[in-house]
Amino acid sequence: EAGVAQSPRYKIIEKRQSVAFWCNPISGHATLYWYQQILGQGPKLLIQFQNNGVVDDSQLPKDRFSAERLKGVDSTLKIQPAKLEDSAVYLCASSGPGNNEQFFGPGTRLTVL
Amino acid sequence: SQQGEEDPQALSIQEGENATMNCSYKTSINNLQWYRQNSGRGLVHLILIRSNEREKHSGRLRVTLDTSKKSSSLLITASRAADTASYFCATAPGGGNKLTFGTGTQLKVEL
Repeated sequence: EAGVAQSPRYKIIEKRQSVAFWCNPISGHATLYWYQQILGQGPKLLIQFQNNGVVDDSQLPKDRFSAERLKGVDSTLKIQPAKLEDSAVYLCASSGPGNNEQFFGPGTRLTVL
Repeated sequence: SQQGEEDPQALSIQEGENATMNCSYKTSINNLQWYRQNSGRGLVHLILIRSNEREKHSGRLRVTLDTSKKSSSLLITASRAADTASYFCATAPGGGNKLTFGTGTQLKVEL
């Protein structure tokens, strides 16, 4: 079974630029999550989708971050404009029926200069 | 905000020894999960314990949960160099599946 796919793996941008990350969850997983993990900390949930609907985006900085999952399968997370403090690893995860165990992708390491 | 706090922040042991790490959390939970993160395999689910369970085993892993103290422990027996990683506890609130991760324990197992 293929795991959660993410791209790109690494991205370096300058502050005020825009960036987008892509995630393809495990086939059949209805729930998709985006996390931000700052160096030395645990992952922090940014947004949770159930199919193509948003379940929780309470910790998403909506003035600069946006995410979509239009067809209920893959998803994109965008930052516009980026700030220095956005430097982090962005993790995508998905879960299936029961929604207990989450399966994580390899993450995208973002560096904002 | 971080729900869980792992203790210790870092732990260094010799191969073959046991490693114990603890997690404390603040609010009532539906379940508590432990994850491992290393550069090779990313973040991987290890074990889940429900709020009505007190102890659970999986291979060399043993997890305990004390809901009265809002704490959990993860024991890795007969550690191996491959166990070197960061370990996170993550809690799901009652009735939900939104995970809140702790700050992690960095485990180093030396040969």
